Amino acid sequence: AQTVTQSQPEMSVQEAETVTLSCTYDTSENNYYLFWYKQPPSRQMILVIRQEAYKQQNATENRFSVNFQKAAKSFSLKISDSQLGDTAMYFCAFFSIQGAQKLVFGQGTRLTI
Amino acid sequence: DADVTQTPRNRITKTGKRIMLECSQTKGHDRMYWYRQDPGLGLRLIYYSFDVKDINKGEISDGYSVSRQAQAKFSLSLESAIPNQTALYFCATSEVNTGELFFGEGSRLTVL
Repeated sequence: AQTVTQSQPEMSVQEAETVTLSCTYDTSENNYYLFWYKQPPSRQMILVIRQEAYKQQNATENRFSVNFQKAAKSFSLKISDSQLGDTAMYFCAFFSIQGAQKLVFGQGTRLTI
Repeated sequence: DADVTQTPRNRITKTGKRIMLECSQTKGHDRMYWYRQDPGLGLRLIYYSFDVKDINKGEISDGYSVSRQAQAKFSLSLESAIPNQTALYFCATSEVNTGELFFGEGSRLTVL
């Protein structure tokens, strides 16, 4: 079974700084998707960014970008120019295309700006 | 209106009571899911359904049951609630093979 690990329970940075959230995963599969979701205090779950494993290019969405290292099974999220509205729980998630096709989440990182 | 609607949003109940959390969606997705969120544990999958006739257990299905009444409706039941079922519950939908989940607003359940 796939597992997703976020080793940073909490992080705190100042406005305008850059912060990187770590995520590692364990799988024997070659085709999968990876996601970062954001959960602000409103508790709504919001998709931040998605990465297809077959793509070598790292995904970017405005101030959010990822560092996808397939061989290392690492998928970190970088937030540039942090804003107060970035304060939230961030969840990394793994989706197996070939297997059970269920989204598996990490434990989450609470980010405070 | 939200594409994925959960009711109730908040509920306090007592040990031993039967509770139903309801989920309806207007996205037209075949796949629906129930997750539970606990601090430090992330979101864990309780049950999922890939179509009306397909129901599957997730990693933490004990103590829960589900019903897929229609493509748009997927309810979660706690037959006899216990305090360690106190959590935030999310319903979600997805298209086939995309992995991207569309979440409801969550139902916070407290079992006393």
